[in-house]
Amino acid sequence: SYVLTQPPSVSVAPGQTAIITCGGIKIGSKTVHWYQQKPGQAPVLVVCDDSDRPSGIPERFSGSNSGNTATLTISRVEAGDEADYFCQVWDNSSDQGVFGGGTKLTVL
Amino acid sequence: EVQLVESGGGLIQPGGSLRLSCAASGFTVSSNYMTWVRQAPGKGLQWVSVIYRGGSTYYADSIKGRFTISRDNSRNTLYLQMNSLRAEDTAVYYCARGGRGDLWRGSFPYWGQGTLVTVSS
Repeated sequence: SYVLTQPPSVSVAPGQTAIITCGGIKIGSKTVHWYQQKPGQAPVLVVCDDSDRPSGIPERFSGSNSGNTATLTISRVEAGDEADYFCQVWDNSSDQGVFGGGTKLTVL
Repeated sequence: EVQLVESGGGLIQPGGSLRLSCAASGFTVSSNYMTWVRQAPGKGLQWVSVIYRGGSTYYADSIKGRFTISRDNSRNTLYLQMNSLRAEDTAVYYCARGGRGDLWRGSFPYWGQGTLVTVSS
């Protein structure tokens, strides 16, 4: 089955830019989605279809996808961005969803 | 407004069965891609199962043959029947709805609050 690899943790100071990666074989040929999850809450979709932002998501959240790495970029990081972030793809060859292991974003 | 409300979780002994429900409002379950995702305590998200608009169903390898996803169009409700439960099935189970209709490419913008299933003797 398809595997997505994320760094366990990323730390960034307020106002700086956070970059969270999601690695997978030829992930650039797949469509990547990103979710934010805060403690005790359900996940929230923050980027879909590689780089689109759902309604209500700040422009500070952006995504890209190429080659073997997809990236979630959070600009001008705020304390409220501290959360776990998960990448996800749909594996059309097996009709299965796949999540990355998640990255804990810490705002210093 | 789209709403998803899960229920049916609880404490169950290993080998037992449980049926989770996900009551939907604000949209029609049968017209959307619907999925179950679970999260073990302190762990990441794990995809469990999906039912397509046309009714096709698919499962994660870890639960294939034990879990069954279904929907009741008259009740506008999604279900997950879980049999032969194991300790490793302990998790919060979320139902979620796919987005972008015909342009769906695997994303799930709408989630319920989750229901906790604990498998323990």
